[in-house]
Amino acid sequence: DVKVTQSSRYLVKRTGEKVFLECVQDMDHENMFWYRQDPGLGLRLIYFSYDVKMKEKGDIPEGYSVSREKKERFSLILESASTNQTSMYLCASSILLGQGNSPLHFGNGTRLTVT
Amino acid sequence: AQKITQTQPGMFVQEKEAVTLDCTYDTSDPSYGLFWYKQPSSGEMIFLIYQGSYDQQNATEGRYSLNFQKARKSANLVISASQLGDSAMYFCAMSPHGSGNTGKLIFGQGTTLQVKP
Repeated sequence: DVKVTQSSRYLVKRTGEKVFLECVQDMDHENMFWYRQDPGLGLRLIYFSYDVKMKEKGDIPEGYSVSREKKERFSLILESASTNQTSMYLCASSILLGQGNSPLHFGNGTRLTVT
Repeated sequence: AQKITQTQPGMFVQEKEAVTLDCTYDTSDPSYGLFWYKQPSSGEMIFLIYQGSYDQQNATEGRYSLNFQKARKSANLVISASQLGDSAMYFCAMSPHGSGNTGKLIFGQGTTLQVKP
């Protein structure tokens, strides 16, 4: 089974802090994604990556950056955390595009609170 | 604009009955994929079922089936013989580029289903 592991289940940070959310997958997937989940809004894509050192903006990239130095690891960075970034963050991975109907595999999520 | 709409924020169903969760989508791409995910209270997202836009038959996976009506742009999830463990939030999602292409997914707002004993 594919395993996507997010380093923290719960995180509390102060406004202005730099925050790192880490995600590791063990199935050699090319694609990795960061979503945030908010009530009534569903999941919204922040950033995604198709390869090492490659990244593309999703629908809500403002205030975030990402890093993918190794294939298995995809980090989400909040440069200066703000209260409106309080949310559930979900990491996901999938095999290379065009490989059929392989779904996204998600981690268990990190619930981030910014005070 | 590409969009997924789930109009039912919450639903109740009696145990052992069938339930339909609604999903409509909007895309101008001729080829796309549609997915349903389940999120229990524990938080993990569980893939349930997939339908490609060119698939002739509705997808089925055990007690889950996808009622795909392409002309109406709807992809409703049908759960037969509901169980207490089906209580969860359900998300409909679309991959807008290529049938079976599961790169970027666009998600709906979700529907919370509660199964009553």
